[in-house]
Amino acid sequence: QSVLAQPPSASGTPGQRVTISCSGSNSNIGSNFINWYQQLPGTAPKLVIYSNSQRPSGVPDRFSGSKSGTSASLAISGLQSEDEADYYCATWDDSLNGRVFGGGTKLTVL
Amino acid sequence: EVKVLESGGGLVQPGGSLRLSCAASGFTFSSYAMSWVRQTPGKGLEWVSAISGSGSTTKYADSVKGRFTISRDNSKNTLYLQMSTLRAEDTAVYYCAKETDIVVVPANWFDPWGQGTLVTVSS
Repeated sequence: QSVLAQPPSASGTPGQRVTISCSGSNSNIGSNFINWYQQLPGTAPKLVIYSNSQRPSGVPDRFSGSKSGTSASLAISGLQSEDEADYYCATWDDSLNGRVFGGGTKLTVL
Repeated sequence: EVKVLESGGGLVQPGGSLRLSCAASGFTFSSYAMSWVRQTPGKGLEWVSAISGSGSTTKYADSVKGRFTISRDNSKNTLYLQMSTLRAEDTAVYYCAKETDIVVVPANWFDPWGQGTLVTVSS
């Protein structure tokens, strides 16, 4: 059971906009920045959003992040086949005094 | 290019020990905190441990506290994870990841990650 709750799956067709949610509590998302990681099949996770809504260099501007209260979301617009991957949200939990991850969302491009 | 590369995984019996290493390159190793994160087969990610750039501060997940020890040798640009009293539930791919500050603070993120090393605990 992950501290942060994510839907196990999401899907969309090429060109569509897809949103992945991440829900937590006041001790984690509510008081800390959230980061998002993309894990392509058989590879290591890769940072796609940091500090709630910032994109690292090299990440397409189709990826965006937002946070409100104890929830956050990752949006991918203009969906492409290469976006098919697992996506994880992550943050710090003040009560646990450590980092926590969501359970991951498997994004399928139909 | 900033890179981290894990090694040392393998098959170990329950109750046994294993030491993982993570070789860093492309950045001033001592200026950044580092973390270990694991992923059980087919499952999600779990943060395991973190260490500050100087090595003076360490943090652990409750699931490994008292059994795992994180350390670093800044002269060798290498991060370690000493794992003891291993259990079947420790079976996972272990990743090392570079944090974004010299200290372990909530605002940090992980970038980059290594390719991971598989640890299998089984008799």
